[in-house]
Amino acid sequence: DTAVSQTPKYLVTQMGNDKSIKCEQNLGHDTMYWYKQDSKKFLKIMFSYNNKELIINETVPNRFSPKSPDKAHLNLHINSLELGDSAVYFCASSHQTSTETQYFGPGTRLLVL
Amino acid sequence: SQQGEEDPQALSIQEGENATMNCSYKTSINNLQWYRQNSGRGLVHLILIRSNEREKHSGRLRVTLDTSKKSSSLLITASRAADTASYFCATARNSGNTPLVFGKGTRLSVIA
Repeated sequence: DTAVSQTPKYLVTQMGNDKSIKCEQNLGHDTMYWYKQDSKKFLKIMFSYNNKELIINETVPNRFSPKSPDKAHLNLHINSLELGDSAVYFCASSHQTSTETQYFGPGTRLLVL
Repeated sequence: SQQGEEDPQALSIQEGENATMNCSYKTSINNLQWYRQNSGRGLVHLILIRSNEREKHSGRLRVTLDTSKKSSSLLITASRAADTASYFCATARNSGNTPLVFGKGTRLSVIA
């Protein structure tokens, strides 16, 4: 059983489109995250939710909107995709706080053409 | 600003040798964590060392932490080809609502 799963695994789309990435964790964790990993492998936090509440919101364009329907799910919607959005997006979760061990999903490779 | 910086950026060794990676950071921390990322996969947690700990072991992994120098090292002993991956340090600050900050990683290649 996959602890943190993401769909889709690959996403190729045109500039200007809107797309969503879904994430689910079955670990019973309270906190979930979205990270962006660029082509140089630099991993940067985008958002964090604790029990469906937004607690970390780094400097991310408004085109990115996370949604947490329940504490096991954290989805990421991206409007008006740009070339610079091409990256690998990772979902992660931790038991309660961001200081604890984080469990990562397999990543979604987004390519914007 | 980026917290962790790994050194070296890339490391290539023969199977059976030891691999040492270093991480430096800038501010006070609650803990420091090391993660491994195989090519095309997500990050996997390896070990967490708290700010009041100096050394921790897990199998072939040994992590040290020197808070006075704001640095940590990850030693992998008797390396195997399967250890080939990128290794990242991540620092957690004292507030529970601040994000983990990852370094840029060390790419380790273990040649059989």
